[in-house]
Amino acid sequence: DGGITQSPKYLFRKEGQNVTLSCEQNLNHDAMYWYRQDPGQGLRLIYYSQIVNDFQKGDIAEGYSVSREKKESFPLTVTSAQKNPTAFYLCASSIEWGLAATTGELFFGEGSRLTVL
Amino acid sequence: KQEVTQIPAALSVPEGENLVLNCSFTDSAIYNLQWFRQDPGKGLTSLLLIQSSQREQTSGRLNASLDKSSGRSTLYIAASQPGDSATYLCALKNTGNQFYFGTGTSLTVIP
Repeated sequence: DGGITQSPKYLFRKEGQNVTLSCEQNLNHDAMYWYRQDPGQGLRLIYYSQIVNDFQKGDIAEGYSVSREKKESFPLTVTSAQKNPTAFYLCASSIEWGLAATTGELFFGEGSRLTVL
Repeated sequence: KQEVTQIPAALSVPEGENLVLNCSFTDSAIYNLQWFRQDPGKGLTSLLLIQSSQREQTSGRLNASLDKSSGRSTLYIAASQPGDSATYLCALKNTGNQFYFGTGTSLTVIP
């Protein structure tokens, strides 16, 4: 079955540590996104990538970093510079190029919950 | 900048009732509008997607409509069931390939 796999589902971090959240998709989608979700707030865009080896900052990129070395993978690192990292992180993907891109549909993974101890 | 609003933030209805969830947006230059369902602690599941040129989409007991001129979309749920209890979010993709999300409506269907 095609889909987006995020791991780990739960992650605990001590202050000062960097942690990396994994996002893998087998949908052959071009674009991948990382969102942060906090209670009572809408999804906020951290980073996005429309093609391999290229990515762009979103609205709240400070304290985060990403890489896009493979089409299928878009890992997110939460660095010690992120002052309030406790949140629910969602990875998403969509097709950007070709006829199938006409719908622009967005697909999500199951999310990763990060808690800072 | 596009602003997306979902009112009410929470809604409780008895089982069997038909209901409407609302999504308002400020900029009509959209590419599509997507309705999602989110269960507690889970990711977003796509329910319906309406292209800019369409007026509505249907899937089972769900019907989504789009009126760009008034900046509104509605999600109609027929014959609600306790299993429909979840948070429903709408999201817009604008013509610049950016996505904008509402904060969601938390629905509780009471048996």
